[in-house]
Amino acid sequence: NAGVTQTPKFRVLKTGQSMTLLCAQDMNHEYMYWYRQDPGMGLRLIHYSVGEGTTAKGEVPDGYNVSRLKKQNFLLGLESAAPSQTSVYFCASSWPSYEQYFGPGTRLTVT
Amino acid sequence: DQQVKQNSPSLSVQEGRISILNCDYTNSMFDYFLWYKKYPAEGPTFLISISSIKDKNEDGRFTVFLNKSAKHLSLHIVPSQPGDSAVYFCAASANAGNMLTFGGGTRLMVKP
Repeated sequence: NAGVTQTPKFRVLKTGQSMTLLCAQDMNHEYMYWYRQDPGMGLRLIHYSVGEGTTAKGEVPDGYNVSRLKKQNFLLGLESAAPSQTSVYFCASSWPSYEQYFGPGTRLTVT
Repeated sequence: DQQVKQNSPSLSVQEGRISILNCDYTNSMFDYFLWYKKYPAEGPTFLISISSIKDKNEDGRFTVFLNKSAKHLSLHIVPSQPGDSAVYFCAASANAGNMLTFGGGTRLMVKP
């Protein structure tokens, strides 16, 4: 039981480049989430999904897109990366309890 | 406007003593509260939670207290151990929903 996994673990992008972060969970959870963590800001919700084929905006969705084509996978895309998107990105999943299970994170640097 | 605030960015405690981490919230619709622990280079892990119908929940060395009138919760760790050194986040949920709002975190350092 791997729980929540994220790929890649690290990435460096140049401004304007695009990339996709992959999140996978093997707990059969319905809900999945993408957060970003910045110093002193805690975890801020970017987008979330309440089931396969659904997505919704969170607190800070601008500049990101997501897709949930399969229940176990949740993809986060950056179409045109900006330095302000330098952050640590965490994926999480849950259901039915409130408790969210987090992946190990992806550290993204945009130069 | 942060709805969940952890006003102490860091806390240093001697091993064996009590650690008290505090969290304040502004949204009166929050009805479920959680504490997460995070080590460097790892994702947050769930520690303990409390429903708004309770004012205390205990799990081993960890106790969470909720004061609804003050919109304040605290996490007590007794006795503190060096392995407890981590960043602690409090989080809140509203209306029995699954969305969590996180505080900014408090870095706890337990000195041997």
